[in-house]
Amino acid sequence: RKEVEQDPGPFNVPEGATVAFNCTYSNSASQSFFWYRQDCRKEPKLLMSVYSSGNEDGRFTAQLNRASQYISLLIRDSKLSDSATYLCVVNTYNQGGKLIFGQGTELSVKP
Amino acid sequence: GAVVSQHPSRVICKSGTSVKIECRSLDFQATTMFWYRQFPKQSLMLMATSNEGSKATYEQGVEKDKFLINHASLTLSTLTVTSAHPEDSSFYICSATGQGDYGYTFGSGTRLTVV
Repeated sequence: RKEVEQDPGPFNVPEGATVAFNCTYSNSASQSFFWYRQDCRKEPKLLMSVYSSGNEDGRFTAQLNRASQYISLLIRDSKLSDSATYLCVVNTYNQGGKLIFGQGTELSVKP
Repeated sequence: GAVVSQHPSRVICKSGTSVKIECRSLDFQATTMFWYRQFPKQSLMLMATSNEGSKATYEQGVEKDKFLINHASLTLSTLTVTSAHPEDSSFYICSATGQGDYGYTFGSGTRLTVV
C-alpha cells in the first residue's frame, strides 16, 4: 500500500464548477499535511497547509480527519488557471522531515 | 522569500557519461537537502536526504554508487548521475530546508534525457 494515495484523475470540469480531491495516508504518526500544485514540467508549489480545524484560502478549502487519515481539497468556482496536477503531501517527522507525495490528481478546467 | 537555484534545467547526455546537477540556496542556509525523481505521469519519489557535512541517506532501491550526493556546504548540494543510461531519463528536483521558518523550498528541476 502506498503511503499517500489520491483519487485517480484526470478530472475534467467546466469553468465555475466545484471540484473535490481526496487523499488518504497510511502512517498514523504523520504530523504535517499539505496540498501542492504542479504545472507541467515545473516544480511543485505549495498551495496550502492542512490543519485539523480545516482551513480556507479564497476558493480553496482543505480538511483533515486524523481519525480516518483522510485529507481533502475543495476548489470552488474553478478557473482555467486552476488546471494543474494537485499533490497531496504528508510529513512524518520521525522519518527525518521528508515529504511523502501522493501520485497527484490532474485537473483540467475547460471553458 | 527563500530561493533554491537548480542547474541545469535541461540536459541531454550520451549513455555511459556522468551528469552533475547543482542546487544552491541563494538567501538561506540549507541544512537539509532532499533529492527527488519524477517519471512521467508519476509523483515525486524521494531518492535521498542529505544533511550538510554528512553522508546522504538513500531510500530503499536507490543505488548510492550511481547517484552520488554531495552536500559539503550550507548553500550547495550536488547530485551526480554516474554512467547514465536511458532508464535514468527523468525529472530530478531538489528541495531544501534550513534554519528559520523557510519550510520546503524546491529547485526548478532538471530534465535529464539519456540517449
